[in-house]
Order: sequence, then structure tokens, then C-alpha cells
Amino acid sequence: KQEVTQIPAALSVPEGENLVLNCSFTDSAIYNLQWFRQDPGKGLTSLLLIQSSQREQTSGRLNASLDKSSGRSTLYIAASQPGDSATYLCAPDSNYQLIWGAGTKLIIKP
Amino acid sequence: ETGVTQTPRHLVMGMTNKKSLKCEQHLGHNAMYWYKQSAKKPLELMFVYNFKEQTENNSVPSRFSPECPNSSHLFLHLHTLQPEDSALYLCASSQRAGGSYEQYFGPGTRLTVT
Repeated sequence: KQEVTQIPAALSVPEGENLVLNCSFTDSAIYNLQWFRQDPGKGLTSLLLIQSSQREQTSGRLNASLDKSSGRSTLYIAASQPGDSATYLCAPDSNYQLIWGAGTKLIIKP
Repeated sequence: ETGVTQTPRHLVMGMTNKKSLKCEQHLGHNAMYWYKQSAKKPLELMFVYNFKEQTENNSVPSRFSPECPNSSHLFLHLHTLQPEDSALYLCASSQRAGGSYEQYFGPGTRLTVT
């Protein structure tokens, strides 16, 4: 059974810092992995999708990497801004179902 | 309207009420999903529909009854709910199910059962 762990559970940093969010999963047999952000009380916004054959994906200041063999993915956020404050969720696709981590709550202080 | 919309955004209901949640996607997708997000717990997949056919029911109690009349609309009918059913209910869609397709989410319905 796939289990997903996200570390840290919460992170508070000053504006402008580069930061890394970590996601680990127990079953490396995944089809892809998605990163989402969720603003308080709202739905999820897809940030990046990495196919199982890919090592990384980039979108603007975001870069996500995937190491299937070790069961790890990281989300790198460059030059963080207060608008980046949200909960970040990773979800590997196992057997065509997304399995969710509990998320990392990120606060960027102005 | 664009993307995935959900109504109502907030709902308060008693345990004896019957209500329905509605989801509509404007993306031309063929798969739709219901998820439950309880406080401090990971998202839980409830139901999956692919081309209007239910393909997944993750052991959801019968007091939750989904309906998918066409590929653009998804309903979740609620009756005799329990307080522990209070949560954020999220709808999502993707090009199709059973494949490596990106899922797009609606804003959710915040449900409170009193």
C-alpha cells in the first residue's frame, strides 16, 4: 500500500529565500507525481506533473524533481514571495489513483 | 465559467436532511472524481467516474450517493449524515481515468453536519 510522507509539516521563512519541500513515497511503481498548492479553505491548484520517465519539471520559480528508485520528490521554490504562502501537497499516481501526503504548510513572511 | 465549479460553496445540514452537492467541469474531460478532505487528514478518494460509468467506490458509506448524468456534471447526494462527515468535499476532473492524466480541482464545498 502506497504511503506518502511530506517533510516538513510546516515551514516559515522570510521573503526572498529559496526553499525545498520534500515528499517521500513507499512504492516506487508510480505513473507520475503531481504537486499541488491549496490556499486556506479552497480547492487545489495543480503546479507541476512529473511523468515517471522524467527527472524534473520546471514552471517559473518552481522546480520539481523525481527520483523513483529512492521514492523521493522535491519541490524547489526560488525567491519565495508572500503569495507563495499555502499548503503544498504531493500526490504520486499509484494504480491510476492519486495517493496524498498530508502537506507542508508554508508561510512566507514579508 | 471556466475550469471546475462546485455549488454550493458552503452547506450546513442536520443529520436528518437530504442535500446534494453539484460539480461541473468546462474542460471537455471524461473523468470526474469526488474527494473528501477532513481536518488534518490527507485527501481521501471517494468515487471515480469515467465516461459516465462509476469505476471506483472506495468503501464509501451508502449515505453518500454519487450521480454522473453526463461527462460534464457530477452530483453527490447526501442523506442521514453524521457529524464526522463534516469536511471539505472536492470535485476534480481529468481527460480520462485509468491513465496518467493531470487532475483539475474545483474550489470545494465546505460541509458542516449538525
